[in-house]
Amino acid sequence: DQQVKQNSPSLSVQEGRISILNCDYTNSMFDYFLWYKKYPAEGPTFLISISSIKDKNEDGRFTVFLNKSAKHLSLHIVPSQPGDSAVYFCAASAGGGYQKVTFGIGTKLQVIP
Amino acid sequence: KAGVTQTPRYLIKTRGQQVTLSCSPISGHRSVSWYQQTPGQGLQFLFEYFSETQRNKGNFPGRFSGRQFSNSRSEMNVSTLELGDSALYLCASSLGGAGDYEQYFGPGTRLTVT
Repeated sequence: DQQVKQNSPSLSVQEGRISILNCDYTNSMFDYFLWYKKYPAEGPTFLISISSIKDKNEDGRFTVFLNKSAKHLSLHIVPSQPGDSAVYFCAASAGGGYQKVTFGIGTKLQVIP
Repeated sequence: KAGVTQTPRYLIKTRGQQVTLSCSPISGHRSVSWYQQTPGQGLQFLFEYFSETQRNKGNFPGRFSGRQFSNSRSEMNVSTLELGDSALYLCASSLGGAGDYEQYFGPGTRLTVT
């Protein structure tokens, strides 16, 4: 049972345009959400996170939006750059802070120059 | 500060054998988590260790086990290997306190079972 779902396995975007990566979750106990980026042959690296008490968090070109009622979050990258081409994982944790983090299967983003 | 290191990076084993993977966390990090990554399954949580104790466990069979040492280094063991165990095994470290969700991942160990 996939509690964190990334329904788009891949996404292609032109350089300079907006990339929107989506994530849905089913567990209403999740209260902290994270996005990780992964390049081939490397481990995932933390990108941005959001607590369930917020609906938006911004860090430079990256913004995460959380819609709790819809159990949906999205990552916006503006403007997209070729170096953003990677696999993006959505992840969620169900409180307590302890590291039982549930990951989605990832979305491969390709930014075309 | 040195990152998370994992050894070996690549491993080829035969069905039925056992394997031990090692992870050295970032200095000062007390939590180490292990994940299995396979195509189409994303990162599946195996277990998490904090201060030498298993604190969380995923839904993997008992063939998968781990331990953590007093210096926070962790090992993961898989016994009686099956073909389906072929995967990238990632370890991640963090401070491990309440609210410390951000994890730092190593490059992974690519295990191939033949």
